[in-house]
Amino acid sequence: GDSVTQMEGPVTLSEEAFLTINCTYTATGYPSLFWYVQYPGEGLQLLLKATKADDKGSNKGFEATYRKETTSFHLEKGSVQVSDSAVYFCALSDPWAGGTSYGKLTFGQGTILTVHP
Amino acid sequence: DTEVTQTPKHLVMGMTNKKSLKCEQHMGHRAMYWYKQKAKKPPELMFVYSYEKLSINESVPSRFSPECPNSSLLNLHLHALQPEDSALYLCASSPRTSGDPDTQYFGPGTRLTVL
Repeated sequence: GDSVTQMEGPVTLSEEAFLTINCTYTATGYPSLFWYVQYPGEGLQLLLKATKADDKGSNKGFEATYRKETTSFHLEKGSVQVSDSAVYFCALSDPWAGGTSYGKLTFGQGTILTVHP
Repeated sequence: DTEVTQTPKHLVMGMTNKKSLKCEQHMGHRAMYWYKQKAKKPPELMFVYSYEKLSINESVPSRFSPECPNSSLLNLHLHALQPEDSALYLCASSPRTSGDPDTQYFGPGTRLTVL
């Protein structure tokens, strides 16, 4: 079945540091890829997405590129802020799956990011 | 607007109580979801409604009973819960537009504590 593997956390950075959170996936089809962010005490927010190879999703200074050859979707930000402290989830869905698999999200385990001033 | 609302924000209930969680979206989405999330874990899918019909039940115990009264509303009825059911319950919705990859949008969640 489909799976998503995220880098082990937690990740602790100083403000203005460069951020990379690795995400690799295994899928039988041609999945759509997502990054969701969860701030403390809140629900998940869609951060960015990509639906085909070489697509780059971007939002709020975060970027991720759909790399089919390496089955990866790494999240990057050039200069993190204290307000970026949150849990980040990489996820995939197979838009071509039929039956009960259609629309189901497969999540990675999540990466806790803490940014210090 | 990509807003999904959930009420209540917090809920404390005893094991013999009956309570309901409510979720609402006005984006015209045709699929709605219930997830359960334990601390420091990813969300676990419980139920999916597609075009107001239950399409997925991930072998959830019968003490959880979903209901979709219309395309904008989703309820989760709770009865005789156990302390291990304490968690954050998340609702999500997605467009289910034919030909477009589907994207789920989540609500803020209901923090449930079972005593």
